[in-house]
Amino acid sequence: DAGVIQSPRHEVTEMGQEVTLRCKPISGHDYLFWYRQTMMRGLELLIYFNNNVPIDDSGMPEDRFSAKMPNASFSTLKIQPSEPRDSAVYFCASSRSSGGVGLVTQYFGPGTRLTVL
Amino acid sequence: AQSVTQLDSQVPVFEEAPVELRCNYSSSVSVYLFWYVQYPNQGLQLLLKYLSGSTLVKGINGFEAEFNKSQTSFHLRKPSVHISDTAEYFCAVNTNAGKSTFGDGTTLTVKP
Repeated sequence: DAGVIQSPRHEVTEMGQEVTLRCKPISGHDYLFWYRQTMMRGLELLIYFNNNVPIDDSGMPEDRFSAKMPNASFSTLKIQPSEPRDSAVYFCASSRSSGGVGLVTQYFGPGTRLTVL
Repeated sequence: AQSVTQLDSQVPVFEEAPVELRCNYSSSVSVYLFWYVQYPNQGLQLLLKYLSGSTLVKGINGFEAEFNKSQTSFHLRKPSVHISDTAEYFCAVNTNAGKSTFGDGTTLTVKP
């Protein structure tokens, strides 16, 4: 199994530009999570999907952030326009449901390190 | 709402010494507890989890943790650490509603 795949691994962009982060979950997993990790705020859950449907997006910081999951094998997190304070490592994680989402182990991708200048 | 407090941001320890990384949580509903490890430039990976049953859970790499409901704690322990255990460790709580809350992390540095 290839694990969770994220691309790009590193992204450097200028303020105001659109940024798209991509994630391929583990095959057969029906939950997908997007996290952001910074020194100041630690690891934050942004949004998660179940069977491609967004379940909870209360962690999305503002309207500049949007996430989609058009099919079971692909998700995107988009920031438009990007700002320097969006600089962080963004992780995607997936899991397979088993009696309730709280019970499941999440498998994390390697992350995308985003730098907004 | 739930919260997780990792009481030590950094824990330096010598190789082959025992270590305990402390985690306390608060929640108004039943939670499930996890410890994850993050090596440099990598994603998080599961060390162990408590869902129900025995309060002492064993994980990978010789780590174990004990769930203490009365003290709302889930401390991680290892009797003898190796250099390769140097990493950041995260305690996390999940609810069935899917909310995952992570602590701020504890950096374990194992010195020779």
